Amino acid sequence: DTGVSQDPRHKITKRGQNVTFRCDPISEHNRLYWYRQTLGQGPEFLTYFQNEAQLEKSRLLSDRFSAERPKGSFSTLEIQRTEQGDSAMYLCASNPWDRDDNEQFFGPGTRLTVL
Amino acid sequence: AQTVTQSQPEMSVQEAETVTLSCTYDTSESDYYLFWYKQPPSRQMILVIRQEAYKQQNATENRFSVNFQKAAKSFSLKISDSQLGDAAMYFCAYRSGSGNTPLVFGKGTRLSVIA
Repeated sequence: DTGVSQDPRHKITKRGQNVTFRCDPISEHNRLYWYRQTLGQGPEFLTYFQNEAQLEKSRLLSDRFSAERPKGSFSTLEIQRTEQGDSAMYLCASNPWDRDDNEQFFGPGTRLTVL
Repeated sequence: AQTVTQSQPEMSVQEAETVTLSCTYDTSESDYYLFWYKQPPSRQMILVIRQEAYKQQNATENRFSVNFQKAAKSFSLKISDSQLGDAAMYFCAYRSGSGNTPLVFGKGTRLSVIA
C-alpha cells in the first residue's frame, strides 16, 4: 500500500489551455474526493465518488471542470479553458465507505499555475 | 451550511512547551465528527486526531489532545512537549455524521516551533 498518489505534482499552463490531473487512491478505497486549496486557505470540496458514481459536486465546480472515475479505481480531473483563478493546489483523498469514522487519506496534491 | 473558523493564522511555541490551537464551528446537526489535520511544508496532509460528537470524553493521541466543548461548538487542539517536527499548517475540519461525506475545513493555523 503506497498511499494516495497524484500526477503530475506540478503543472504550469497558459490561460485558455486544458489540463488533466490524475489521482490513484489507496486500493480498496471506495470513496474518492477532490479538493482545491488556494494560498492561505483550507481545502475546499469540489466533488466526490463512490466507486464510479459521482455523488456530489460543489457549486465551486464550474462547467469548465469535469471529473471521472470510470472503473472505480483512479480518477481524473479536467479543467478546460483554464483561467488564472484556477491556480491552486488540487488535492485528492480516499477512504473506505463502510465506517462512519473513517479518516480521509490525502495525496500530495497537484499544484497548478496558470500564466 | 456548516462552517469552521480558525481565528489564529499563526502561532509559535518553544520546543518542549505546550501550545493550544483554537477552532470553532457552526452546525445544526447533532451527529458529526471533528478532525485536526497536519500539513507539513510541501508534504501531504495527515490526520492528527479525531473526535466523535456523541462522545463526551476528549480524544487523546500521545502528545496531542483536544478540548471538545459541544455546547460552545469549540474544538481546540493541545500539543504538549512540542517538537521541531510539529511545525506545520494545522487544519480543523468538520464532517457530517451521515455517511462518509466531504470535509469542511477551516483556513488553518501555521505553527512554528522555536528551538
